[in-house]
Amino acid sequence: QKEVEQDPGPLSVPEGAIVSLNCTYSNSAFQYFMWYRQYSRKGPELLMYTYSSGNKEDGRFTAQVDKSSKYISLFIRDSQPSDSATYLCAMIEGDSSYKLIFGSGTRLLVRP
Amino acid sequence: NAGVTQTPKFRILKIGQSMTLQCTQDMNHNYMYWYRQDPGMGLKLIYYSVGAGITDKGEVPNGYNVSRSTTEDFPLRLELAAPSQTSVYFCASSRRENQPQHFGDGTRLSIL
Repeated sequence: QKEVEQDPGPLSVPEGAIVSLNCTYSNSAFQYFMWYRQYSRKGPELLMYTYSSGNKEDGRFTAQVDKSSKYISLFIRDSQPSDSATYLCAMIEGDSSYKLIFGSGTRLLVRP
Repeated sequence: NAGVTQTPKFRILKIGQSMTLQCTQDMNHNYMYWYRQDPGMGLKLIYYSVGAGITDKGEVPNGYNVSRSTTEDFPLRLELAAPSQTSVYFCASSRRENQPQHFGDGTRLSIL
């Protein structure tokens, strides 16, 4: 079993839809949670960075962490064709850890 | 505002050849990392460095070597290229442990 599970998609939605992207994980020691966006032939770009449980909002993006269920989500409101990309979740264990564990990514397509 | 810069962007090697993938960052980050990304497999850590002169192995170090003589540069060396090393290689940096990592745009390497 992988430490971090992520549905590979592709997820296809019409422009303006609310998108929900999710990851589950097995290691209860994870403390820091990130979402990266990766366009084709580009490097991952940090979207959201959160610590422990709760919600964080940044513009059209909201990140949720539920440590009791070992489940994290990224919501995209009013999705745009420019949001079409692969979204990677990533996690770090504790304060002194450098090791970033990635999900395999979900490919999102927003149709005009 | 360069961030993390990787060269070359693309390369084709023959089996048994050697090459160095270059990575430089201008954010004065102490931590630097090398990952490989294979389709459907997420990112796997090859080597990392916590500062000039200090390097250590990650999850998949076999067939690779690194050095870190300056804060800015972290080259990755392939000594005897094998087809299994065909991948996209990403360099990343962070200010310290448990902080988000910032990625370059990758080097696409094919070994034939």
